[in-house]
Amino acid sequence: AQKITQTQPGMFVQEKEAVTLDCTYDTSDQSYGLFWYKQPSSGEMIFLIYQGSYDEQNATEGRYSLNFQKARKSANLVISASQLGDSAMYFCAVNQFYFGTGTSLTVIP
Amino acid sequence: DGGITQSPKYLFRKEGQNVTLSCEQNLNHDAMYWYRQDPGQGLRLIYYSQIVNDFQKGDIAEGYSVSREKKESFPLTVTSAQKNPTAFYLCASRGQTHQPQHFGDGTRLSIL
Repeated sequence: AQKITQTQPGMFVQEKEAVTLDCTYDTSDQSYGLFWYKQPSSGEMIFLIYQGSYDEQNATEGRYSLNFQKARKSANLVISASQLGDSAMYFCAVNQFYFGTGTSLTVIP
Repeated sequence: DGGITQSPKYLFRKEGQNVTLSCEQNLNHDAMYWYRQDPGQGLRLIYYSQIVNDFQKGDIAEGYSVSREKKESFPLTVTSAQKNPTAFYLCASRGQTHQPQHFGDGTRLSIL
């Protein structure tokens, strides 16, 4: 079994500031992939960033970066220069179909 | 444009009735997935299919059934055995392993 834990049900961030969303996971797989998705209030799931367990460098994708600490089984999402459109639910997932319970992010003008 | 289409957007089910949610993709993806999302919760896997004519149960398959007769289509039937079907249902597809899933816009199912 695989378990994903997102301990922050809700987060607030000032516009233009950076924010970190936490994700820890538990898997017995030697090789695995970590994914972050964004879900706006409209409901669709939008892929943000991917990290492979054997990737030596932290993944980056525009304003999104992943702080990957393999020994701690941690894959935190960092959003830099927050925008109002970043307000949404954010989900961490491991190996495609194991999702955490999500973090609701609100960006304050 | 390539993508995943789910229909209908909203669906209402009467007691004892089976209903079918449609999911079609034109991305030429082999793998397809069905998830259930309850308010304030993450996604839970109902069924998935890696190839045509084959599918596997996820964590919450009871009360649901699927078919995969064509690569493009992966319909989900919510049977009368599913006693609490009210939820948001998301369909997804994926190309190669470690590629992200592409999601449809979802179907909201409610009981009348």
